[in-house]
Amino acid sequence: AQSVTQLDSHVSVSEGTPVLLRCNYSSSYSPSLFWYVQHPNKGLQLLLKYTSAATLVKGINGFEAEFKKSETSFHLTKPSAHMSDAAEYFCVVSDNAGNNRKLIWGLGTSLAVNP
Amino acid sequence: EPEVTQTPSHQVTQMGQEVILRCVPISNHLYFYWYRQILGQKVEFLVSFYNNEISEKSEIFDDQFSVERPDGSNFTLKIRSTKLEDSAMYFCASRQDRGHEQYFGPGTRLTVT
Repeated sequence: AQSVTQLDSHVSVSEGTPVLLRCNYSSSYSPSLFWYVQHPNKGLQLLLKYTSAATLVKGINGFEAEFKKSETSFHLTKPSAHMSDAAEYFCVVSDNAGNNRKLIWGLGTSLAVNP
Repeated sequence: EPEVTQTPSHQVTQMGQEVILRCVPISNHLYFYWYRQILGQKVEFLVSFYNNEISEKSEIFDDQFSVERPDGSNFTLKIRSTKLEDSAMYFCASRQDRGHEQYFGPGTRLTVT
């Protein structure tokens, strides 16, 4: 069965400093992995996805993530945080057994960006 | 850019009442989903729908829940007799046939009093 563990429930960084949001996954199949972002009172927006192509994936707003099979990790990074990055971030794995591909979600990491 | 839309944005209902949450998926998508997020908890899968039938449902999706695609554009979630614990944000999502990513609507916040 697939599962996702986000290792930090809250991360606080200063504007202009790097961001690291950690995610480990468990999957019986070759996984598809995603990061979604949710700004306050907004919907869920796809940041980036890994679907068995390049292991370093670039997303929107300067975010990227690296798929490391040996570590079963898919950590999200950004070189320099911006105030507008403050949001809830979800690491997600797709259940690729069959065509349904339901998404299995981590608990989320709340990112705070301090001026 | 095409997007998933949901109505209403906020629904308040009394316990025991029926509610219908509406979604308009992206037009060329073939897979449709409902998820919910109880305040402070993770997003949970409820149901997936393909080819006019439920393809998978979670244990949350009991007999009180149903989904329908009444026409070529809408996708609805009905809760027959709402309970306090149904209070949550409900997200609709859709996916292309061969795509991996799901596109989400803005959500409907359901409050059961």
